[in-house]
Amino acid sequence: DADVTQTPRNRITKTGKRIMLECSQTKGHDRMYWYRQDPGLGLQLIYYSFDVKDINKGEISDGYSVSRQAQAKFSLSLESAIPNQTALYFCATSEGETDTQYFGPGTRLTVL
Amino acid sequence: QKEVEQNSGPLSVPEGAIASLNCTYSDRGSQSFFWYRQYSGKSPELIMFIYSNGDKEDGRFTAQLNKASQYVSLLIRDSQPSDSATYLCAAASGGSYIPTFGRGTSLIVHP
Repeated sequence: DADVTQTPRNRITKTGKRIMLECSQTKGHDRMYWYRQDPGLGLQLIYYSFDVKDINKGEISDGYSVSRQAQAKFSLSLESAIPNQTALYFCATSEGETDTQYFGPGTRLTVL
Repeated sequence: QKEVEQNSGPLSVPEGAIASLNCTYSDRGSQSFFWYRQYSGKSPELIMFIYSNGDKEDGRFTAQLNKASQYVSLLIRDSQPSDSATYLCAAASGGSYIPTFGRGTSLIVHP
């Protein structure tokens, strides 16, 4: 079984809809992250959490919110989706001092 | 603003050749450096991690770090078509737990 899972894997929605992307991990890591990736722009950090009570904004948090329901679960919400939020979204975890990131398989989101 | 710069490519090499991918970083406080491979539509996967000046070898891959020049490179020996992917370079400051990613270099290995 995959250590970091994301649901759904693909989602098509309409402008103005609220949607939630979910991430679960069995790695036992405290640190979790949400990134978006657009063609040619690399990975942009949306939010990150170092434990259940610690939530921090990343470089592009506007229009997004998160919830850390448990050590193993970190959800990303788009309150009112807009077309320029069409992207590939990745959840990641890390631990220890090395900062190595372990990525989920990604969610491809299309906002029409 | 911490930055990691990579040439977007594509870098095209023939099968069996050495592919050389380069990366520079702006934060002199960076202590850990990573190379991730990402196939189209897939998630990044770690292939190399380095934190000491010099070379680190793992199979066909060699990472090179020069902190004085703020330069990291990845060499892929005996390149195979299956190595065709985008390679992301990342740097992290000790204890920050927030790596900075480059935009990636596209590598094409042609038969």
